[in-house]
Amino acid sequence: RKEVEQDPGPFNVPEGATVAFNCTYSNSASQSFFWYRQDCRKEPKLLMSVYSSGNEDGRFTAQLNRASQYISLLIRDSKLSDSATYLCVVNGRLTGGGNKLTFGTGTQLKVEL
Amino acid sequence: EAQVTQNPRYLITVTGKKLTVTCSQNMNHEYMSWYRQDPGLGLRQIYYSMNVEVTDKGDVPEGYKVSRKEKRNFPLILESPSPNQTSLYFCASSPTRDRGANQPQHFGDGTRLSIL
Repeated sequence: RKEVEQDPGPFNVPEGATVAFNCTYSNSASQSFFWYRQDCRKEPKLLMSVYSSGNEDGRFTAQLNRASQYISLLIRDSKLSDSATYLCVVNGRLTGGGNKLTFGTGTQLKVEL
Repeated sequence: EAQVTQNPRYLITVTGKKLTVTCSQNMNHEYMSWYRQDPGLGLRQIYYSMNVEVTDKGDVPEGYKVSRKEKRNFPLILESPSPNQTSLYFCASSPTRDRGANQPQHFGDGTRLSIL
């Protein structure tokens, strides 16, 4: 089983649609969680952190279920500019300190007119 | 401007010819890391460094070397590149290790290597 699993997509949605991405992780000791966005051939950029209580940033809502080891990202009123690959990222502490980010392979979103 | 700078951005070279990809950050971050990204495999960690003179293997270290002689620089060295190292490489950094577990990483723009 992969450490972080995502549906690769692509998800093709019309502008204005609501779309949800799911992610599962295998390491129950994982400490922090993020969603990154990556545009084609560009570096990953932090979209938002994911907190246990759930958090919202404008049209984006992230949720974490530690018991099920499941993370989600909801995008409301999708825009053409939301077209990108969304990476689920799990951060665990290393034995000697520091941290390790484990990336999912990403879910591709295409928003169409 | 806070940034992670990688060079070169693109490189086409031949098997066996040693190459170095440089990475420099201006944010005084202790933690730095190298990743490679391949289709269907996502981002995989090659090496990381928690501070000057402290480096450790990631998930796919074979064929790579790193050094951390200064806090700001973390070069990736391919002593004898092979075609299976053709990939997109990213350098990243993040703040102090005690806070590092909860701090996301800042990425460089990426280096696309083609080994013929």
